[in-house]
Amino acid sequence: QSVLTQPPSASGTPGQRVTISCSGSSSNIGSNTVNWYQQLPGTAPKLLIYSNNQRPSGVPDRFSGSKSGTSASLAISGLQSEDEADYYCAAWDDSLNVRVFGGGTKLTVL
Amino acid sequence: QITLKESGPTLVKPTQTLTLTCTFSGFSLSTSGVGVGWIRQPPGKALEWLALIYWDDDKRYSPSLKSRLTITKDTSKNQVVLTMTNMDPVDTATYYCAQIYGGMDVWGQGTTVTVSS
Repeated sequence: QSVLTQPPSASGTPGQRVTISCSGSSSNIGSNTVNWYQQLPGTAPKLLIYSNNQRPSGVPDRFSGSKSGTSASLAISGLQSEDEADYYCAAWDDSLNVRVFGGGTKLTVL
Repeated sequence: QITLKESGPTLVKPTQTLTLTCTFSGFSLSTSGVGVGWIRQPPGKALEWLALIYWDDDKRYSPSLKSRLTITKDTSKNQVVLTMTNMDPVDTATYYCAQIYGGMDVWGQGTTVTVSS
């Protein structure tokens, strides 16, 4: 049971815009920034978004993040087949005193 | 360029102690604000944060695993070591280390550990 809640799956067709939600509480998302990770099959997670809405160098601007209250979202526009992957959100939890992850969302490009 | 690489046994027996080493380059763990953490991922399951050590030796552990984990650093060797006692088959997972700094993180490629007799 993950501390942050994500939908287990999402899907879209090429070119479409999809969003993935991440729900938490006042002790994590409500009071700390959110990171998003992309995990391609058989590889290590890669930082996609940090500090709610910042993209590391090299991450296409098709990926964007937002946060409101105790929830966060990852949006992917102009969906491409190579975006098919697992996506995880993460945030520091002040009560648990550790970083916590969402359960992950498997994105399928139809 | 920041790189991290995890190393350790690929197979451990139940009740044994696991020792994993994260060897990194491209940054110093004596720089203010820098941390190195360990995360694991059982096959087909989600990521789980295990432990984190900061430049000032501040340490944070997952509450559910705290009694079994110890994280240490050797700044001169650019290494962080994680020990996990009393290993069980449910601890079978890919273990990653990651550098944390300024909200960003960089991950290693991971090392797979199987717990089986």
